Amino acid sequence: GAGVSQSPRYKVAKRGQDVALRCDPISGHVSLFWYQQALGQGPEFLTYFQNEAQLDKSGLPSDRFFAERPEGSVSTLKIQRTQQEDSAVYLCASSSTRVNEQFFGPGTRLTVL
Amino acid sequence: GDSVTQMEGPVTLSEEAFLTINCTYTATGYPSLFWYVQYPGEGLQLLLKATKADDKGSNKGFEATYRKETTSFHLEKGSVQVSDSAVYFCALSGYSSASKIIFGSGTRLSIRP
Repeated sequence: GAGVSQSPRYKVAKRGQDVALRCDPISGHVSLFWYQQALGQGPEFLTYFQNEAQLDKSGLPSDRFFAERPEGSVSTLKIQRTQQEDSAVYLCASSSTRVNEQFFGPGTRLTVL
Repeated sequence: GDSVTQMEGPVTLSEEAFLTINCTYTATGYPSLFWYVQYPGEGLQLLLKATKADDKGSNKGFEATYRKETTSFHLEKGSVQVSDSAVYFCALSGYSSASKIIFGSGTRLSIRP
């Protein structure tokens, strides 16, 4: 079956613009995670959903970052008034309840000019 | 809080050489331990995992043993190939599918023919 997909794969934004990044998890996966990976670093946790409920948003770096998963499937990560420090690869991962393993999407590379 | 420390790269080896990438962790409780790999131009993939002390994870000739007494999970391979060139991430998470993953900073491995 299809893996986790993300779109767009690349996004260039001018400083101050709003962006929206989409994640399509593996069908039937209850858990969905967002991570931020800065250049040359490991991914860092941003937020976690179980179905449509956002149970952990402790990793969101500021109130400019907002995530939603209204129907418990597709998720959107929105960044308002983007700043240069937001430039990174944003990774989405999903997992089922049966196995403690997260499957990662290819990521969206965001560049803020 | 929980953290992962891994050997800094880059690491350059000749084909058929023995590989070790060191990884140590700090965690409360009994985390699951992982090695993820990111090949050039590809997404993050799970390479191997171990869920309890003394477990050995293995895949594609790579091995790592969960050592609770030394809080380590070193990655080894007896004979590396050019195709093993990638970035390797050591990581940990809690026992449930709802647990976020904490990653190390990554080790870039390059194999010379």
